[in-house]
Amino acid sequence: QKEVEQNSGPLSVPEGAIASLNCTYSDRGSQSFFWYRQYSGKSPELIMSIYSNGDKEDGRFTAQLNKASQYVSLLIRDSQPSDSATYLCAVSGGSYIPTFGRGTSLIVHP
Amino acid sequence: SAVISQKPSRDICQRGTSLTIQCQVDSQVTMMFWYRQQPGQSLTLIATANQGSEATYESGFVIDKFPISRPNLTFSTLTVSNMSPEDSSIYLCSVLGQGAQGYTFGSGTRLTVV
Repeated sequence: QKEVEQNSGPLSVPEGAIASLNCTYSDRGSQSFFWYRQYSGKSPELIMSIYSNGDKEDGRFTAQLNKASQYVSLLIRDSQPSDSATYLCAVSGGSYIPTFGRGTSLIVHP
Repeated sequence: SAVISQKPSRDICQRGTSLTIQCQVDSQVTMMFWYRQQPGQSLTLIATANQGSEATYESGFVIDKFPISRPNLTFSTLTVSNMSPEDSSIYLCSVLGQGAQGYTFGSGTRLTVV
């Protein structure tokens, strides 16, 4: 059973702070890793994808992958109230069938 | 990334009836996925639909209850059959894009069974 674990939160951070979201996965054969943002009542939208160990930066977002530790994280710098949402971690392997975590609720308060 | 048109966006249905949800993609895609999401919950994969083959269902989901059509590389339907109130949920289709595009989702169908 492939599992993706996330702390459900909520994670509450003040505006302007760094939000750190974490995810662990069970399948060592996983090859592709994704972070999605889902606003209430909306469908998930892709924020970041990462495929190799290390950091990948895109604007205020940084994804970090450590395959040895089976760990992937998302950092959001200069958090804004508009970043308040549920963040889903997804992992896929050779079958290309993704496994999603339960999501972490992020609240950015002014 | 691919753009998906999902219909209907919402519906209220009587128990015992069936509803067919459609997803139209603006590009050809190999893999399409159907999910169910209860409010405040994560995504539950119902099945994977590849063109030209039978859909592959996840544990707890059966073809008689959730028949899936995948006639070509841009279109798929999911039918929720013989509905009961327990089928009330949000249903989402998703496709795997090219390269680093990841998975794109349709806008969802909010189904209420009364």
